[in-house]
Parts: sequence; structure tokens; C-alpha cells
Amino acid sequence: EPEVTQTPSHQVTQMGQEVILRCVPISNHLYFYWYRQILGQKVEFLVSFYNNEISEKSEIFDDQFSVERPDGSNFTLKIRSTKLEDSAMYFCASIMAKTGFKANYGYTFGSGTRLTVV
Amino acid sequence: GNSVTQMEGPVTLSEEAFLTINCTYTATGYPSLFWYVQYPGEGLQLLLKATKADDKGSNKGFEATYRKETTSFHLEKGSVQVSDSAVYFCALSDPGGSYIPTFGRGTSLIVHP
Repeated sequence: EPEVTQTPSHQVTQMGQEVILRCVPISNHLYFYWYRQILGQKVEFLVSFYNNEISEKSEIFDDQFSVERPDGSNFTLKIRSTKLEDSAMYFCASIMAKTGFKANYGYTFGSGTRLTVV
Repeated sequence: GNSVTQMEGPVTLSEEAFLTINCTYTATGYPSLFWYVQYPGEGLQLLLKATKADDKGSNKGFEATYRKETTSFHLEKGSVQVSDSAVYFCALSDPGGSYIPTFGRGTSLIVHP
């Protein structure tokens, strides 16, 4: 069964450093997402990406965050200058279509990257 | 705005016990409702879904019924197994909005032999 692959599974970084989290979505999917979950809290939407541009973003996704699909297969989330409060599990997800019957098949998620900022 | 509220965990049960994990939602439109499961070290997987009122989603012995009158989508299983130990997330997707799923905070289930 096709999978969404995320690397690394765990990253530790010093406050103020830049990090890049990587995702390989399912190849025929068109919509890509980043979510995060701070320990014990809700899974929160960060950003959605379609047709090589951001289609929606939450208030969490400020100027410190950026996304890119550099080569047609990878989908990356960059945090420019990490803060302690960025420590969380980051999930990538993809879906073929977001409307119509295909939307109700649900999103395919990766296993997440646990980011620890020290 | 849309929101999902799940019961706090962890839920600890013995094998073959009955499981209920409560989920209620707030939505402006008529959302689709989902349960996702996350097994240790894995991503979130779609467990079941319901797209309209009174629909029952079911998979792997789990069931949930879309109750519009109580805005609920409680997850149930008649007889849990140790292998059901995981974190369960309730979510909604609002076709009147952006379709982007809104998740609850997850409920950890621990099943002892």
C-alpha cells in the first residue's frame, strides 16, 4: 500500500537553528499538508499546498515557516529559527483530491518527525 | 469555527472489554466525520468514516454512528484486543469550508492481556 514517508523520525536542534523536515507524499496525490502536535495537545493544521503554492495556512504558520516542493517528489517544511515552543511531532499528509467522493477516503499521513528544540 | 472534543485518556482496559471513546464536534455546516488510529511508531491511519447523519462507519470491529442531534461520533468496539492499543483521533472535514480536517487531541487506549 502506498505510504507517505517522513524523515528524519526524530530531530534534536538548538534554539535559533534552522531545520528542514522532509516528506515524500504519495506519487499521484495532488494536495499536501503539514500538521503538528505538541505533546498532549490537539493535532493542529499548519499549511496546505497545491499546484506548487500554498493554498491555506493557519495562524501558526508565520514568517518563520516555509514549505517547498523542490523536485516534484519531496515536500519540505522549513523552520527558519527554531524556538522551544516549536518542539512537537510534525505530520505530513497528502490526498488525491479534496472535493467529491475522493475527499471522504481520508488523508494519508506519514509517521511523523519528532522535533525537539533545546 | 469547527472543533472536535475527545475524552481524555489514557483509557485502560482488559482484553475483551467493551470500548467507548467519546467524541463531540462543533461545525458550521454538515461535516464528514472520521476516526484515525495511530499505532506506535506509525502515521495516522483512517479507521472509519461517516459522511451524513445516521451513517454508521465500521472497520476492524470498530463502529461509530454520526449523531447530528447530539453532535457526536463516539467510537465503540465490543471486545478489544491487545493489538488495539494505540492513539485514536476523532476528526471532521467540513465540505462547506476548506475540507481541511480538524482533529481532536487524541485518546490513548491501553489494552492489557
